[in-house]
Amino acid sequence: GNSVTQMEGPVTLSEEAFLTINCTYTATGYPSLFWYVQYPGEGLQLLLKATKADDKGSNKGFEATYRKETTSFHLEKGSVQVSDSAVYFCALTSSMDSSYKLIFGSGTRLLVRP
Amino acid sequence: DTGVSQNPRHKITKRGQNVTFRCDPISEHNRLYWYRQTLGQGPEFLTYFQNEAQLEKSRLLSDRFSAERPKGSFSTLEIQRTEQGDSAMYLCASSPREMDIQYFGAGTRLSVL
Repeated sequence: GNSVTQMEGPVTLSEEAFLTINCTYTATGYPSLFWYVQYPGEGLQLLLKATKADDKGSNKGFEATYRKETTSFHLEKGSVQVSDSAVYFCALTSSMDSSYKLIFGSGTRLLVRP
Repeated sequence: DTGVSQNPRHKITKRGQNVTFRCDPISEHNRLYWYRQTLGQGPEFLTYFQNEAQLEKSRLLSDRFSAERPKGSFSTLEIQRTEQGDSAMYLCASSPREMDIQYFGAGTRLSVL
């Protein structure tokens, strides 16, 4: 079945450090890939998405590239801020599934220290 | 637009009691999804509606769970005879159409004592 695997957290960085959160997936067909972010006490917010191979999603300085050959969608940011502290979820939807339900990874908590 | 609204935000109940949660999706979004999130895990799909029709239910949705979406607007999720294992965050999301982005509410946190 379809699944998403994320690196375990927490990830602790100093402000302005480079961030990478690894995400790999298993899916039938041609999945769309997403990163959602959950700030404390808030709902999930879409951070970025990519719908086909080699697409790069970007938003708020975050980027992720859809790599079909390695089935990966790693999240990167060149310089993190304290305000980026949150839980990040990698997710997919499958074009083979008419529900287009999201399949999530287990999440990676990021803590950025001043 | 005010986004997806969920009520209540928190619910504490005793084992064996029934609880009902409400989700108000973004206006004119015809798809509505329910997910469950336990501590330290990602959300897991429970069920979804297209307009008023419930089109899929996960095997996670035991017969103690029922969801409705009358008239294709708001939705309710009821849990009967709650168990401690039902303690979780229940998330609602809506999207304007299939293949589109899902917008999430802040969730209802259920604690079963």
